[in-house]
Amino acid sequence: DTEVTQTPKHLVMGMTNKKSLKCEQHMGHRAMYWYKQKAKKPPELMFVYSYEKLSINESVPSRFSPECPNSSLLNLHLHALQPEDSALYLCASSQEGTSEKYFGPGTRLTVL
Amino acid sequence: KQEVTQIPAALSVPEGENLVLNCSFTDSAIYNLQWFRQDPGKGLTSLLLIQSSQREQTSGRLNASLDKSSGRSTLYIAASQPGDSATYLCAVEHSNYQLIWGAGTKLIIKP
Repeated sequence: DTEVTQTPKHLVMGMTNKKSLKCEQHMGHRAMYWYKQKAKKPPELMFVYSYEKLSINESVPSRFSPECPNSSLLNLHLHALQPEDSALYLCASSQEGTSEKYFGPGTRLTVL
Repeated sequence: KQEVTQIPAALSVPEGENLVLNCSFTDSAIYNLQWFRQDPGKGLTSLLLIQSSQREQTSGRLNASLDKSSGRSTLYIAASQPGDSATYLCAVEHSNYQLIWGAGTKLIIKP
């Protein structure tokens, strides 16, 4: 099973809302990633968790807060977002840092 | 600084043709190179991963090659089908955990 799942598929939120994106994998991968993708652009790395510890934060604004409750789950907590944060948010996992990356289907986020 | 370029940006070919997508990178010090496909509004599907020590990988109608010395990779698609229509992205792993992406090639296969 090489599946990464993400919920919800679509999310519309106001600038004062708090919401969370969820990601799950059961491949035993030890690295998990959050990416942001704008239309017609390649993905941009936001965060990397390795062995459940945050190892990379690509200078992402604090209104995005990642959490890794266990080795299979990755959350992205959202608060006080801006309309320019509207994008496709992709979760990925890999066995190790330089292993093949597997991506989920993404969450389409719209901030009003 | 590692840069990845994909040419062409868009390609339209009749069904049944064989085709080649190109990816070039500026720094040969890579761990691996990975090809992905992305359908509109969807996530990325991993197609092939080539480790830095490998020259090519094959999966079904797809064949990817890697020439580190020249900083090039190609994705060969045999006997193209309308279902192959998608954006194809290449990415090199230049440092641990970090992929450097090309801008993608949008492929349209005409029935």
